Amino acid sequence: DAKTTQPTSMDCAEGRAANLPCNHSTISGNEYVYWYRQIHSQGPQYIIHGLKNNETNEMASLIITEDRKSSTLILPHATLRDTAVYYCIVWFNTDKLIFGTGTRLQVFP
Amino acid sequence: DAGVIQSPRHEVTEMGQEVTLRCKPISGHNSLFWYRQTMMRGLELLIYFNNNVPIDDSGMPEDRFSAKMPNASFSTLKIQPSEPRDSAVYFCASRGRAPYEQYFGPGTRLTVT
Repeated sequence: DAKTTQPTSMDCAEGRAANLPCNHSTISGNEYVYWYRQIHSQGPQYIIHGLKNNETNEMASLIITEDRKSSTLILPHATLRDTAVYYCIVWFNTDKLIFGTGTRLQVFP
Repeated sequence: DAGVIQSPRHEVTEMGQEVTLRCKPISGHNSLFWYRQTMMRGLELLIYFNNNVPIDDSGMPEDRFSAKMPNASFSTLKIQPSEPRDSAVYFCASRGRAPYEQYFGPGTRLTVT
Protein backbone atom coordinates (compact mmCIF):
# COMPACT_ATOMS: atom_id res chain seq x y z
CA ASP A 1 0.00 0.00 0.00
CA ALA A 2 1.08 3.55 -0.72
CA LYS A 3 2.35 5.34 2.38
CA THR A 4 1.40 8.79 1.14
CA THR A 5 -1.73 10.94 0.96
CA GLN A 6 -2.25 13.49 -1.80
CA PRO A 7 -5.20 15.62 -2.92
CA THR A 8 -7.09 14.09 -5.79
CA SER A 9 -6.87 17.13 -8.02
CA MET A 10 -5.59 20.70 -8.22
CA ASP A 11 -5.78 23.59 -10.65
CA CYS A 12 -3.11 26.14 -11.43
CA ALA A 13 -2.98 29.14 -13.75
CA GLU A 14 -0.30 29.10 -16.41
CA GLY A 15 2.80 31.00 -15.31
CA ARG A 16 1.99 30.69 -11.64
CA ALA A 17 3.69 28.38 -9.17
CA ALA A 18 2.04 25.02 -8.64
CA ASN A 19 2.43 23.71 -5.09
CA LEU A 20 1.55 20.04 -4.71
CA PRO A 21 1.34 18.75 -1.13
CA CYS A 22 1.98 15.24 0.12
CA ASN A 23 1.53 13.74 3.57
CA HIS A 24 3.76 10.87 4.65
CA SER A 25 3.32 10.85 8.41
CA THR A 26 4.62 7.28 8.85
CA ILE A 27 7.87 7.86 6.96
CA SER A 28 10.93 6.17 8.44
CA GLY A 29 14.21 7.93 9.03
CA ASN A 30 15.97 6.39 6.07
CA GLU A 31 13.13 6.63 3.56
CA TYR A 32 13.34 9.05 0.67
CA VAL A 33 10.52 11.07 -0.85
CA TYR A 34 10.29 10.63 -4.62
CA TRP A 35 8.10 12.48 -7.08
CA TYR A 36 7.06 11.19 -10.48
CA ARG A 37 4.57 12.53 -12.95
CA GLN A 38 2.56 10.94 -15.71
CA ILE A 39 1.44 12.96 -18.66
CA HIS A 40 -1.57 11.54 -20.41
CA SER A 41 -0.85 8.30 -22.29
CA GLN A 42 2.85 8.35 -21.39
CA GLY A 43 4.92 6.39 -18.89
CA PRO A 44 5.66 7.98 -15.53
CA GLN A 45 8.62 10.34 -15.47
CA TYR A 46 11.00 10.92 -12.57
CA ILE A 47 11.00 14.52 -11.28
CA ILE A 48 12.98 14.80 -8.07
CA HIS A 49 13.72 13.13 -4.76
CA GLY A 50 14.99 14.07 -1.32
CA LEU A 51 15.72 12.77 2.16
CA LYS A 52 15.50 15.72 4.53
CA ASN A 53 17.04 18.71 2.83
CA ASN A 54 15.19 20.78 0.29
CA GLU A 55 16.14 19.93 -3.26
CA THR A 56 15.96 21.77 -6.57
CA ASN A 57 16.62 20.72 -10.13
CA GLU A 58 15.71 22.01 -13.55
CA MET A 59 12.18 20.67 -13.29
CA ALA A 60 11.06 21.46 -9.77
CA SER A 61 11.80 22.12 -6.12
CA LEU A 62 11.07 19.78 -3.24
CA ILE A 63 10.40 21.16 0.22
CA ILE A 64 10.41 18.63 3.06
CA THR A 65 9.21 19.67 6.51
CA GLU A 66 11.62 19.38 9.40
CA ASP A 67 9.70 16.46 10.92
CA ARG A 68 9.61 14.87 7.43
CA LYS A 69 5.92 14.07 7.76
CA SER A 70 4.99 16.09 4.72
CA SER A 71 6.48 17.63 1.61
CA THR A 72 5.59 19.97 -1.21
CA LEU A 73 6.57 19.76 -4.84
CA ILE A 74 6.86 23.17 -6.43
CA LEU A 75 6.69 23.84 -10.15
CA PRO A 76 7.80 27.48 -10.16
CA HIS A 77 6.21 28.58 -13.43
CA ALA A 78 3.61 26.07 -14.51
CA THR A 79 2.95 25.61 -18.21
CA LEU A 80 0.16 23.79 -20.02
CA ARG A 81 2.61 20.93 -20.60
CA ASP A 82 2.81 20.39 -16.84
CA THR A 83 -0.76 19.11 -16.83
CA ALA A 84 -0.33 15.57 -15.51
CA VAL A 85 -0.86 13.22 -12.59
CA TYR A 86 1.82 13.74 -9.94
CA TYR A 87 2.80 10.86 -7.67
CA CYS A 88 4.51 11.24 -4.30
CA ILE A 89 6.27 8.03 -3.23
CA VAL A 90 8.13 7.07 -0.08
CA TRP A 91 10.98 4.67 -0.79
CA PHE A 92 14.10 3.15 0.71
CA ASN A 93 16.35 0.50 -0.62
CA THR A 94 13.67 -1.86 -1.76
CA ASP A 95 13.13 -2.58 -5.36
CA LYS A 96 9.48 -1.67 -5.39
CA LEU A 97 8.09 1.76 -6.07
CA ILE A 98 4.47 1.74 -4.94
CA PHE A 99 2.39 4.27 -6.83
CA GLY A 100 -0.69 5.66 -5.13
CA THR A 101 -3.50 7.55 -6.86
CA GLY A 102 -1.55 10.81 -7.18
CA THR A 103 -2.75 14.38 -7.75
CA ARG A 104 -4.21 15.34 -11.08
CA LEU A 105 -2.84 18.83 -11.83
CA GLN A 106 -4.68 20.85 -14.43
CA VAL A 107 -2.86 23.95 -15.68
CA PHE A 108 -5.21 26.39 -17.38
CA PRO A 109 -4.45 29.36 -19.65
CA ASP B 1 20.12 6.95 -25.41
CA ALA B 2 16.85 5.69 -26.86
CA GLY B 3 15.32 5.06 -23.46
CA VAL B 4 13.21 2.04 -22.63
CA ILE B 5 11.71 0.55 -25.77
CA GLN B 6 8.45 -1.37 -25.79
CA SER B 7 6.69 -3.18 -28.58
CA PRO B 8 4.10 -3.30 -29.83
CA ARG B 9 2.67 0.08 -28.86
CA HIS B 10 -0.87 -1.14 -29.46
CA GLU B 11 -2.23 -4.66 -29.51
CA VAL B 12 -5.78 -5.75 -30.20
CA THR B 13 -6.55 -9.42 -29.87
CA GLU B 14 -9.42 -11.78 -29.29
CA MET B 15 -10.12 -13.55 -26.06
CA GLY B 16 -8.21 -16.80 -25.79
CA GLN B 17 -5.29 -15.69 -27.92
CA GLU B 18 -1.71 -15.53 -26.70
CA VAL B 19 -0.22 -12.07 -26.29
CA THR B 20 3.49 -11.28 -25.99
CA LEU B 21 4.71 -7.87 -24.94
CA ARG B 22 8.37 -6.95 -25.38
CA CYS B 23 10.74 -4.63 -23.60
CA LYS B 24 14.30 -3.46 -24.16
CA PRO B 25 15.70 -1.73 -21.07
CA ILE B 26 18.23 1.07 -21.07
CA SER B 27 21.71 -0.29 -21.67
CA GLY B 28 23.59 -0.81 -18.43
CA HIS B 29 20.50 -0.91 -16.22
CA ASN B 30 20.36 -3.99 -14.05
CA SER B 31 16.74 -3.92 -12.87
CA LEU B 32 13.61 -4.29 -14.97
CA PHE B 33 10.00 -3.84 -13.93
CA TRP B 34 6.65 -4.68 -15.53
CA TYR B 35 3.61 -2.60 -14.52
CA ARG B 36 -0.02 -2.65 -15.53
CA GLN B 37 -2.27 0.43 -15.46
CA THR B 38 -6.05 0.55 -15.53
CA MET B 39 -8.53 3.21 -14.52
CA MET B 40 -9.88 1.02 -11.74
CA ARG B 41 -6.62 -0.19 -10.18
CA GLY B 42 -4.13 2.48 -11.14
CA LEU B 43 -0.47 1.55 -11.67
CA GLU B 44 0.35 -1.92 -10.36
CA LEU B 45 3.73 -3.63 -10.22
CA LEU B 46 3.48 -7.11 -11.75
CA ILE B 47 7.02 -8.45 -11.55
CA TYR B 48 10.60 -7.25 -11.45
CA PHE B 49 14.02 -8.64 -12.29
CA ASN B 50 17.47 -7.90 -10.90
CA ASN B 51 20.37 -8.97 -13.10
CA ASN B 52 17.95 -10.97 -15.26
CA VAL B 53 16.64 -12.97 -12.28
CA PRO B 54 12.96 -12.67 -11.28
CA ILE B 55 12.88 -11.35 -7.72
CA ASP B 56 9.24 -10.75 -6.93
CA ASP B 57 6.30 -11.89 -9.02
CA SER B 58 3.68 -11.44 -6.32
CA GLY B 59 1.88 -8.89 -8.45
CA MET B 60 1.31 -11.26 -11.34
CA PRO B 61 -2.46 -11.73 -11.35
CA GLU B 62 -2.60 -15.42 -12.18
CA ASP B 63 -0.93 -18.28 -13.96
CA ARG B 64 -1.99 -16.96 -17.33
CA PHE B 65 0.73 -14.35 -16.94
CA SER B 66 4.42 -15.14 -17.29
CA ALA B 67 7.55 -13.03 -17.73
CA LYS B 68 11.06 -13.83 -18.83
CA MET B 69 14.33 -12.00 -19.12
CA PRO B 70 16.71 -14.18 -21.14
CA ASN B 71 19.42 -11.51 -21.18
CA ALA B 72 20.18 -8.02 -19.95
CA SER B 73 18.72 -6.34 -23.01
CA PHE B 74 15.38 -8.06 -23.47
CA SER B 75 12.30 -9.08 -21.52
CA THR B 76 8.87 -10.44 -22.43
CA LEU B 77 5.52 -10.49 -20.68
CA LYS B 78 3.20 -13.19 -21.98
CA ILE B 79 -0.51 -13.67 -21.40
CA GLN B 80 -1.94 -17.04 -22.40
CA PRO B 81 -4.87 -17.23 -22.81
CA SER B 82 -5.85 -13.58 -22.82
CA GLU B 83 -9.16 -12.34 -21.38
CA PRO B 84 -11.05 -9.04 -21.77
CA ARG B 85 -10.16 -8.07 -18.18
CA ASP B 86 -6.49 -8.05 -19.20
CA SER B 87 -7.14 -4.94 -21.26
CA ALA B 88 -4.82 -2.26 -19.88
CA VAL B 89 -1.66 -0.30 -20.59
CA TYR B 90 1.43 -2.32 -19.75
CA PHE B 91 4.58 -0.41 -18.89
CA CYS B 92 8.13 -1.62 -18.68
CA ALA B 93 10.69 0.30 -16.64
CA SER B 94 14.38 -0.10 -15.98
CA ARG B 95 16.69 1.18 -13.29
CA GLY B 96 20.41 1.47 -12.84
CA ARG B 97 22.42 1.07 -9.67
CA ALA B 98 22.17 4.71 -8.60
CA PRO B 99 20.46 7.04 -8.08
CA TYR B 100 17.63 4.54 -8.31
CA GLU B 101 15.43 6.44 -10.69
CA GLN B 102 13.13 4.26 -12.73
CA TYR B 103 12.82 5.06 -16.41
CA PHE B 104 9.56 4.02 -18.00
CA GLY B 105 8.85 3.02 -21.54
CA PRO B 106 5.96 4.42 -23.57
CA GLY B 107 3.73 1.48 -22.74
CA THR B 108 1.74 -1.09 -24.72
CA ARG B 109 -2.00 -0.54 -24.89
CA LEU B 110 -3.61 -3.97 -24.90
CA THR B 111 -7.24 -4.50 -25.88
CA VAL B 112 -8.72 -7.97 -25.59
CA THR B 113 -12.13 -8.34 -27.22
